[in-house]
Amino acid sequence: QKEVEQNSGPLSVPEGAIASLNCTYSDRGSQSFFWYRQYSGKSPELIMSIYSNGDKEDGRFTAQLNKASQYVSLLIRDSQPSDSATYLCAVTTGRRALTFGSGTRLQVQP
Amino acid sequence: DGGITQSPKYLFRKEGQNVTLSCEQNLNHDAMYWYRQDPGQGLRLIYYSQIVNDFQKGDIAEGYSVSREKKESFPLTVTSAQKNPTAFYLCASSSRQGAVTDTQYFGPGTRLTVL
Repeated sequence: QKEVEQNSGPLSVPEGAIASLNCTYSDRGSQSFFWYRQYSGKSPELIMSIYSNGDKEDGRFTAQLNKASQYVSLLIRDSQPSDSATYLCAVTTGRRALTFGSGTRLQVQP
Repeated sequence: DGGITQSPKYLFRKEGQNVTLSCEQNLNHDAMYWYRQDPGQGLRLIYYSQIVNDFQKGDIAEGYSVSREKKESFPLTVTSAQKNPTAFYLCASSSRQGAVTDTQYFGPGTRLTVL
């Protein structure tokens, strides 16, 4: 079982719609959760971080964490073509280095 | 202009050669990390360092070596023992490893190709 799992996609949504990206993790001791966006050929850039159960909103982005079910999600409202990228879920375990999922590719259709 | 720099951007290596990838940060971060990314995959941890003169192996350390002689620098050497080194290498840093809110920021990456 992979430590952090994501659907590879592609997830295709029309412009203006809500994109929902999901991630599950196996280590119940995980404490910190991150979403990074990665454009093709570029390095990951931080989108959201979340540390406690519930929702955290930042502009068009909302991260949701449910530690009991061991999943974390990212919602992107009013999706734009510029949101088309691969979204990486990352989790910190005991050693504090990040463990990444393989990413979900999002395509926003104009 | 603060940030993390990696050089070179592209690197070509012949079979049997050792090569060193540079990573420098001027963010005054204590912790630094090296990850490897293969096409269509997530990042995998090679080595990390929490403090100068100390570093730990990650999940795929075989065939790699690092040093941390200065706080701002964390070079990665890809040795000839690494059988499949062609990949995108990413360096990251964070201010305070161990804190729940500690966040890693990435450099622009080095793309290594074995000829």
